Amino acid sequence: QVQLQESGPGLVKPSETLSLTCTVSGDSIRSYYWSWIRQPPGKGLEWIGYIFYHGSTNYDPSLKSRVTMSLETSKNQFSLSLTSVTAADTAVYYCARHVGSSFWVRGHWFDPWGQGILVTVSS
Amino acid sequence: QSVLTQPPSVSGAPGQRVTISCTGSSSNIGAGYDVHWYQQLPGTAPKPLIYGNNNRPSGVPDRFSGSQSGTSASLAITGLQAEDEADYYCQSYDSTLSGFHFVFGTGTKVTVL
Repeated sequence: QVQLQESGPGLVKPSETLSLTCTVSGDSIRSYYWSWIRQPPGKGLEWIGYIFYHGSTNYDPSLKSRVTMSLETSKNQFSLSLTSVTAADTAVYYCARHVGSSFWVRGHWFDPWGQGILVTVSS
Repeated sequence: QSVLTQPPSVSGAPGQRVTISCTGSSSNIGAGYDVHWYQQLPGTAPKPLIYGNNNRPSGVPDRFSGSQSGTSASLAITGLQAEDEADYYCQSYDSTLSGFHFVFGTGTKVTVL
């Protein structure tokens, strides 16, 4: 059974960089696409971006200038870096595995999800 | 800002049928990209409910069904139960000049009366 677990600081100061890691157990990160998704308190879901094991990435256009994703295959982990954060970046951040054909990313859906980690941006 | 619009809330009595709409455009649902649905219980991560417009993952009751037509999709819950009280989100793919990316609906809260 595949399980995902987010980790990282729960509090980040404005203008600094938010860094999170997702640890995958029960499967290899070499086999799938992986995404980060966030949910501001009381609001809806927002896709941030994905990474594929050979390093290809795709980020949401609205966040593209501030986002970087990377893989640590030896640790079966992938990471998110979001620079120049503001209060608007306060959210629960989820990591998730893609489901679907590797030849048709556009049809992918997300399962499973990590439990999520609340990151608050505040001084 | 989400490009997929859902009603903020729907409600029904136990045993009734409710539907949740997900309205998109020609750059996402109307372009033929699949629609998927998630259920989010309070304080938990979203769980997939429907994938590929009308398929249920293993373990999801057949009370849940999905459909898609034109630029919209719908999730139907028949025989509404108390444990169905949750937030529901649609998800698809969007392709525009600014880029291509996954998108979620605005979310719908289902209340069981």
